[in-house]
Amino acid sequence: EDKVVQSPLSLVVHEGDTVTLNCSYEVTNFRSLLWYKQEKKAPTFLFMLTSSGIEKKSGRLSSILDKKELFSILNITATQTGDSAVYLCAVGNTGTASKLTFGTGTRLQVTL
Amino acid sequence: NAGVTQTPKFQVLKTGQSMTLQCAQDMNHEYMSWYRQDPGMGLRLIHYSVGAGITDQGEVPNGYNVSRSTTEDFPLRLLSAAPSQTSVYFCASTRGGSTDTQYFGPGTRLTVL
Repeated sequence: EDKVVQSPLSLVVHEGDTVTLNCSYEVTNFRSLLWYKQEKKAPTFLFMLTSSGIEKKSGRLSSILDKKELFSILNITATQTGDSAVYLCAVGNTGTASKLTFGTGTRLQVTL
Repeated sequence: NAGVTQTPKFQVLKTGQSMTLQCAQDMNHEYMSWYRQDPGMGLRLIHYSVGAGITDQGEVPNGYNVSRSTTEDFPLRLLSAAPSQTSVYFCASTRGGSTDTQYFGPGTRLTVL
């Protein structure tokens, strides 16, 4: 059974801080690791990391994948109040694209 | 494109009632999934489909049925609602192939009394 563990469960930071969110996984026949941001509504896609793309960056957000140690981190620099959300990590295996296994998420609150 | 749409947004049922949550996508995606999200438990896969006419069970399928008669639609049926099915339900779709990126609908908040 595939498993995804995220840490910390929640954290509160001040605007301008840098945060690192962690995701460790156990998956049979790893294919991809995805990060999503969830505010009040549906999760929105941030990054997908695979064997051929172990580092991604978009603005203040970046993510790396360590396939040897089976984890990923999501970095957010110069945090803003708009970054407040639940960040979800998910893994896919080579079985089927519909079967993502999600972690329980990290709740980030950015205060002024 | 509207993307993934879900109806209704909110629903209150009594124990034992049945209902269908609707999901549609206009991106011609082959793969569609239903998840439920409960506090502290993340997203859990209920059922999924890899194409019209093909469905399979996910992690928590009991009490739910699905069908996939067209590429666009993937309804989720609650046969006899129970309070344990109170949750937020998300439908998602993905193109498939070499990508696992799933696009989510806005969700349905279901309360079973």
